[in-house]
Amino acid sequence: EVQLLESGGDLVQPGGSLRLSCAASGFTFASYAMSWVRQAPGKGLEWVSGISGSGGSTYYADSVKGRFTISRGNSKSTLYLQMSSLIPDDTAVYYCAKSFGDYVGDAFPLWGQGTMVTVSS
Amino acid sequence: SVLTQPPSASGPPGQRVTISCSGSNSNIRRFTVNWYQQLPGTAPKLLIFNSNQRPSGVPDRFSGSKSGTSASLAVSGLRSEDEADYYCAAWDETLNGPVFGGGTKLTVL
Repeated sequence: EVQLLESGGDLVQPGGSLRLSCAASGFTFASYAMSWVRQAPGKGLEWVSGISGSGGSTYYADSVKGRFTISRGNSKSTLYLQMSSLIPDDTAVYYCAKSFGDYVGDAFPLWGQGTMVTVSS
Repeated sequence: SVLTQPPSASGPPGQRVTISCSGSNSNIRRFTVNWYQQLPGTAPKLLIFNSNQRPSGVPDRFSGSKSGTSASLAVSGLRSEDEADYYCAAWDETLNGPVFGGGTKLTVL
């Protein structure tokens, strides 16, 4: 079955760090760009970061640049998001999303179920 | 949001409703637009890609179009199960990443 399964969400204090994972199955993971998209409680969607299939190209929203790092382990079919210097505005459900092809700008036809990150003291 | 959508839209069952998405030269004019449907408590679902194409399984009641710096999503023959939030998205060459609209909550009266 083609699916994405996120994990790693938790309650963390401001200034803390967290690593999210997204396990992919059912498709050739290395052939597709992947992204993280978040949704704060009661708010809209915000693209956070994207990475090419090889991992050689990465992209970040200005709101997380310098604090978050996206990476992927193609041998494990897993996408990661290392988050540091977390602030309350980072509180959101984080979704991983697969691109149509090896381009971060493609549409996202496949999404995970999301994992909740709460930044609070 | 970089892309501007009306916060709400509504119509009775069977009617046709359109949702607009306004952008700029750095996004919608140069790149295709995608639309997502998000039912309450669920992950987003791709509804329209490349401005006017439907993934398999999406009813032809949903259609998309683009002109200049604006795009729109039309939903015809409204059904109660269409009640959801709808988001437009496009690549932005200035921000070097995809941008989303603020979302439109569609209510079937």
